[in-house]
Amino acid sequence: AQSVTQLDSHVSVSEGTPVLLRCNYSSSYSPSLFWYVQHPNKGLQLLLKYTSAATLVKGINGFEAEFKKSETSFHLTKPSAHMSDAAEYFCVVGVNTNAGKSTFGDGTTLTVKP
Amino acid sequence: SAVISQKPSRDICQRGTSLTIQCQVDSQVTMMFWYRQQPGQSLTLIATANQGSEATYESGFVIDKFPISRPNLTFSTLTVSNLSPEDSSIYLCSVGRGHTEAFFGQGTRLTVV
Repeated sequence: AQSVTQLDSHVSVSEGTPVLLRCNYSSSYSPSLFWYVQHPNKGLQLLLKYTSAATLVKGINGFEAEFKKSETSFHLTKPSAHMSDAAEYFCVVGVNTNAGKSTFGDGTTLTVKP
Repeated sequence: SAVISQKPSRDICQRGTSLTIQCQVDSQVTMMFWYRQQPGQSLTLIATANQGSEATYESGFVIDKFPISRPNLTFSTLTVSNLSPEDSSIYLCSVGRGHTEAFFGQGTRLTVV
């Protein structure tokens, strides 16, 4: 069984300040973890993924996430927010046999203030 | 990678009718997955579509409401039956490459009036 908890439903930051979106997971096996972004009325876009290689994962658009097994966390960060980062972000844990079958977190809405 | 095409991209349907959504993948896959995203919500897995066998439904989803076909290894359909306004959602299909990659269609936005 697996589950994922996004600790913040809404995060608001000012442009140019750091972004932190928090995610904790639960999995009975070594997980595959993903962060997706969804802009309004758009499809899902993969930001980055962890699949048991390096624990610090770099993604697109300057985003990073660190897999911490001891804390069962996979928080998403970005050093400096842009207005274009405003969107919905989903932390996702994939089934160990097929990543297409995934459990999604409830999502975090990121607002970026000018 | 895998390219997934979903049709239609959006539709407006009358209550009591049905909508069939098609999902085409550009390569053969054993399993395809269907998700629902209700307004303002996250994605919830509806069912797993296996070629050559009946779909496997998640808790809260039943075959009579969401019949699924999987006639070959590159294609699947999801039908949403007896539509009500509560069925207004985005429906997505996905496939995986092992446990490391997942690919999602662009989704079908259904509005029931």
